[in-house]
Amino acid sequence: KNQVEQSPQSLIILEGKNCTLQCNYTVSPFSNLRWYKQDTGRGPVSLTIMTFSENTKSNGRYTATLDADTKQSSLHITASQLSDSASYICVVSLQQAGTALIFGKGTTLSVSS
Amino acid sequence: DAEITQSPRHKITETGRQVTLACHQTWNHNNMFWYRQDLGHGLRLIHYSYGVHDTNKGEVSDGYSVSRSNTEDLPLTLESAASSQTSVYFCASSVRIGATDTQYFGPGTRLTVL
Repeated sequence: KNQVEQSPQSLIILEGKNCTLQCNYTVSPFSNLRWYKQDTGRGPVSLTIMTFSENTKSNGRYTATLDADTKQSSLHITASQLSDSASYICVVSLQQAGTALIFGKGTTLSVSS
Repeated sequence: DAEITQSPRHKITETGRQVTLACHQTWNHNNMFWYRQDLGHGLRLIHYSYGVHDTNKGEVSDGYSVSRSNTEDLPLTLESAASSQTSVYFCASSVRIGATDTQYFGPGTRLTVL
């Protein structure tokens, strides 16, 4: 069964600290992996997209890594800010005709001052 | 600026009523999608369209329908609303560039069925 599991479910950190969110998937055949940020009351916004040949991609203070062999990805946030408080969703795309995205349930990050 | 909008943002309706949620994008994207988001679940695909007059069922399409008469709009209709359809609904659009496509999401519609 195609699944995307994220951990932890929620996380609280102090402003300025770093954190790492995890994503494990059992999706096959794999096409690409995406990380989205979703602020409360808003739609998800894309942070990164990685194909199986890419093992790291950065977007400002966000760095995503991908290990296609172990089917694991992580999202590292550096020097967190209050505005980083949001849900972070890992999404895996199936390699097939048409769009087939498998969404994780997300990790809720709270950054406190 | 190009954008994707949804209306209404909030809707309360009664069981059995027909409800239509609007989605409008100005990017001229061919691909449009409807998802629902519920606590304890990731976003789940309801219907999607790859162009005018094209519609396809997603993972949770029962009780929903869509039509695509132009590039900009993909309205979602709940034919006979049920309490199980209380949810937050997101519309998205995308265009494929190379091997990947980025989906751009609307702000969501919170629907309550009483």
